[in-house]
Formats: sequence, C-alpha cells, structure tokens
Amino acid sequence: QKEVEQDPGPLSVPEGAIVSLNCTYSNSAFQYFMWYRQYSRKGPELLMYTYSSGNKEDGRFTAQVDKSSKYISLFIRDSQPSDSATYLCATSLGSDMRFGAGTRLTVKP
Amino acid sequence: GAVVSQHPSRVICKSGTSVKIECRSLDFQATTMFWYRQFPKQSLMLMATSNEGSKATYEQGVEKDKFLINHASLTLSTLTVTSAHPEDSSFYICSAREPSGGAETQYFGPGTRLLVL
Repeated sequence: QKEVEQDPGPLSVPEGAIVSLNCTYSNSAFQYFMWYRQYSRKGPELLMYTYSSGNKEDGRFTAQVDKSSKYISLFIRDSQPSDSATYLCATSLGSDMRFGAGTRLTVKP
Repeated sequence: GAVVSQHPSRVICKSGTSVKIECRSLDFQATTMFWYRQFPKQSLMLMATSNEGSKATYEQGVEKDKFLINHASLTLSTLTVTSAHPEDSSFYICSAREPSGGAETQYFGPGTRLLVL
C-alpha cells in the first residue's frame, strides 16, 4: 500500500466548474498536509498547507483535512484554464515528505 | 516564496558519461536539501536528503555510489549521476528547506530533465 494514494486522473472540466481533488494517506502520524501545483516540465509550487483537521481557504482554493479518515481534499472554485496543471498532495512528518501520484487537471475554455 | 534554482534545466548525454546537476537556494541558507526523481505521470520519489557538511542520507534502493551528492555550502548541493544509462533518464528535482522551518518552507527547484542516449 502506498503511503499517499491519489487518483492520477486525468480530470477534465469546463471553465467555471468546481474541481474536487482528493487523497488518502496511511500513516496517522503525518502532521502537515500540502497541495502543490506542477506545470508541465516545471518543479512543484506550494499552493496550500494545513497542520490540523478542518478547512483552510485561500481565494478560489480550499484545502480540507479529515484526520479521522486520513482524507485530504482540495477544492477549486470557478476554475480557470490557467489552473490546468498536475496537482500533488503531500504529507509530512518532520523532514519526511511523501507525495501522491498527482492528478492531471485540464480546464477547458 | 523563496527561490531555488537548478542547472542545467535539460541535459542530453551518452550512456556511460557522468552528469552533474546543481541546486542552489538563492535567498536563504539551506542546511538541508532534498533530491527527487520523477518519471512521466508519476509522483516525486525522494532519492536522498543532503545535509550541509555531512554525508547524504539515501532512501532505500537508491545507489549512493551511482548518485553522488555533495552539499559543500549552505546554498549549493550537487547531484552527480555517474556512468549514466538510459534507465536513468528522468526528471530530477531538488528542494531546499529553510532552517528551522516546517514542511511549508520547503521550496522546489524547476527540475532538470536528463536524457541518456
């Protein structure tokens, strides 16, 4: 079993749609939960991070963590073509960071 | 956010040659840097953790004699792929973490695409 499971997609939505991206993790000791966005042939850039269960909102992005079910989500409202990228979830314990496989998202105009 | 650079961004080499990739933290001193590799449509896999002034810590299954890591200063870590073979072709990404920072202070470089012919 992978430590972080993420559906690789691909996921294609029309512009303006709400996007839901999800991951599950296996190690309940993980403390930090991150979402990265990676454009093609580029390094990942941090979108959002949370430390505890609950929601965290930043503009059109909302990160949600449910530690009891080891489930993390990223919601994108009013999706734009510029949101087209691969989104990677990650969990961390100290300096040990584990990534999901990444979900490739395409937002069509 | 902080900036991490990598050089070169792309390299093509013949089988059997060695390739050096540099990773620099441009606006902070990084006592710890990380090296990942990423195959197409797959996630980042941690190869090794590079600590300034000491030996790198390699993940299980990563050959330390093949992937030489040197972290000679607080702003520079290098990864040398020795005697590269076609199966080493991949996207190599480094990251650097701010001292005393949490996971949210780990910044990634733009990656180096290696193609071994």
